[in-house]
Amino acid sequence: GQNIDQPTEMTATEGAIVQINCTYQTSGFNGLFWYQQHAGEAPTFLSYNVLDGLEEKGRFSSFLSRSKGYSYLLLKELQMKDSASYLCAVRDDQAGTALIFGKGTTLSVSS
Amino acid sequence: KAGVTQTPRYLIKTRGQQVTLSCSPISGHRSVSWYQQTPGQGLQFLFEYFSETQRNKGNFPGRFSGRQFSNSRSEMNVSTLELGDSALYLCASSLDPEGHYGYTFGSGTRLTVV
Repeated sequence: GQNIDQPTEMTATEGAIVQINCTYQTSGFNGLFWYQQHAGEAPTFLSYNVLDGLEEKGRFSSFLSRSKGYSYLLLKELQMKDSASYLCAVRDDQAGTALIFGKGTTLSVSS
Repeated sequence: KAGVTQTPRYLIKTRGQQVTLSCSPISGHRSVSWYQQTPGQGLQFLFEYFSETQRNKGNFPGRFSGRQFSNSRSEMNVSTLELGDSALYLCASSLDPEGHYGYTFGSGTRLTVV
């Protein structure tokens, strides 16, 4: 079956660094995506990994290890506006789906 | 550049009725996918279309159907509504089905079934 796991909640303080982990078990693998979703809003695209390694985009970085079925999203210099739900999603063409999403990690940033 | 447009934003329907939701993708995007989001289940895949062809379908009953038109706009229909169909329905568009450049989501249609 298809399964994507990520922690339900995390808390951090402004200016800190936080790492949100995601593990997946899928039939196939055609890419891993991270999305940010603020309450009541649409998910917004953060990153895409299809090869092993680290992708950096400003304060956000995403890492992928396909052999371990593991990814993480690293957020640096946290700001209050980073309080949101972070969604890990895998595309698995072998399973005949588009994106398979984890349940999301709710990040709360405090001052 | 206009984003993904979903209409209507909010909808209240009665059990047993049917509903049609619309999604206009970003100009030039030919791939559209639909998701249902609920607090308990999170985001679940419904359908995916590319160039008017359904590429993939999620594990939802036959009451859920969709289509894509030649201008890439897509509609999804839910017949014989049940209370459990209350959810946020999101559509996403991308340049290519594999999403190499990411999927852009619309703001969603909030469906309430009473």
